[in-house]
Amino acid sequence: GENVEQHPSTLSVQEGDSAVIKCTYSDSASNYFPWYKQELGKRPQLIIDIRSNVGEKKDQRIAVTLNKTAKHFSLHITETQPEDSAVYFCAAGGYNFNKFYFGSGTKLNVKP
Amino acid sequence: DVKVTQSSRYLVKRTGEKVFLECVQDMDHENMFWYRQDPGLGLRLIYFSYDVKMKEKGDIPEGYSVSREKKERFSLILESASTNQTSMYLCASITGVSQPQHFGDGTRLSIL
Repeated sequence: GENVEQHPSTLSVQEGDSAVIKCTYSDSASNYFPWYKQELGKRPQLIIDIRSNVGEKKDQRIAVTLNKTAKHFSLHITETQPEDSAVYFCAAGGYNFNKFYFGSGTKLNVKP
Repeated sequence: DVKVTQSSRYLVKRTGEKVFLECVQDMDHENMFWYRQDPGLGLRLIYFSYDVKMKEKGDIPEGYSVSREKKERFSLILESASTNQTSMYLCASITGVSQPQHFGDGTRLSIL
C-alpha cells in the first residue's frame, strides 16, 4: 500500500514569515493529494488539494506544489498569522476505493 | 454542505465492554471510513465501506469490526474493549473519485 511521510513534525515561525511542510509518497498510482488543517478539538478541514495532472495550485496565502517524478508534494503558507496555528496533515491516494493515506502531521505554531 | 455526525464526542468505557461508535452522513455518499488518530501517528485507517453491507479492512483492523446496514450509517464496533484502544476516532465520507473526505467531529474514547 501507500506510505506517506511528512516533515517536520513541529514547526515554529514568527508571524508574517512563511511556513513549508513537505510530504513524500511511495505509490505512483496516487492521483489526489489533499491537505487538512486540524485546530485543537476540531475536525480536520480541507484547506487545499491538488490532482496529479497539475504541478501547482494557489489559494490566497496557501499554495501546494506536486512533483510526481520525485513523489513529493509541499504546502506553502505565506504571511503566516496566529490563526494559522494548528496541526496540518497531508494525504495521498484516491485511486483505490477512494482510500487515502495520511502523513503523521505537522504542528505549526505561529508566534505573534 | 456535507454533514458527518458522530453520535458521541466523549465516551468512557471499561475493558471487556462491547463499544459502538456511530456515524451518519446526510449526502448519500457511498464510501465511508473509520480512522483512529493518535499523537505522532496521524490518521490510521481501521475499516472502510464502499456500499451497504460491503466493508474492507484498513491498516489496523484488529480488535474492531464494522456494520453498514444503511447507506447513511457506518458503525464501528469494539468487540471487547482494551486500554490500548483509548484514542480519538474519526469518521469520514467522500463525495466521489479524487474528492476530499469530509470528517465528523470525532469521538474521544477512553477505556479504563
